[in-house]
Amino acid sequence: NAGVMQNPRHLVRRRGQEARLRCSPMKGHSHVYWYRQLPEEGLKFMVYLQKENIIDESGMPKERFSAEFPKEGPSILRIQQVVRGDSAAYFCASSPRGQGVEKLFFGSGTQLSVL
Amino acid sequence: KQEVTQIPAALSVPEGENLVLNCSFTDSAIYNLQWFRQDPGKGLTSLLLIQSSQREQTSGRLNASLDKSSGRSTLYIAASQPGDSATYLCAVIGGGTSYGKLTFGQGTILTVHP
Repeated sequence: NAGVMQNPRHLVRRRGQEARLRCSPMKGHSHVYWYRQLPEEGLKFMVYLQKENIIDESGMPKERFSAEFPKEGPSILRIQQVVRGDSAAYFCASSPRGQGVEKLFFGSGTQLSVL
Repeated sequence: KQEVTQIPAALSVPEGENLVLNCSFTDSAIYNLQWFRQDPGKGLTSLLLIQSSQREQTSGRLNASLDKSSGRSTLYIAASQPGDSATYLCAVIGGGTSYGKLTFGQGTILTVHP
């Protein structure tokens, strides 16, 4: 059973470009979470999604950031018109259920570098 | 707003020492508390999870305790080894939610030298 898969591992973008980060949850998991780790800062919650639904996006910046988890395929975190301050490690986690969740299973992350 | 603080920020010890990592949180209304390990360039590995009704959990050389009323948890590592070198993160689920919305501490960077 493969773990949480994130790709790409490293992504380099120039200011103003778009970044698309992908996350495939563990088999059987239908709940996905995105976290961001800025340099010298701790991990911060961004968004919680179930299949085709955004449940909690309280940690998402109001502009340029969006997330989806379609019925088929991976979850996508999309950052439009990237700026240098978006450079960070983005982690995805999954769980088999929502309420009453116990352990989260994390992917290895995508390191985004904005030039 | 929940805040999680970890002390110390960094720790360097010789192999074989027993050590304690500390975590404190400001809102005692938590659902559970978890300790993670993060290796450079890798994701997080869950080490121990303590439900809000529990006092401690043990796994091998690791023991985590929880005092919810005082907002504190400790991670005890016995007989430390160089392979234990990593960043250790404490995180809580709370604020009226029981889904995976974790609030993390800044972490303790542990170095165990031979």
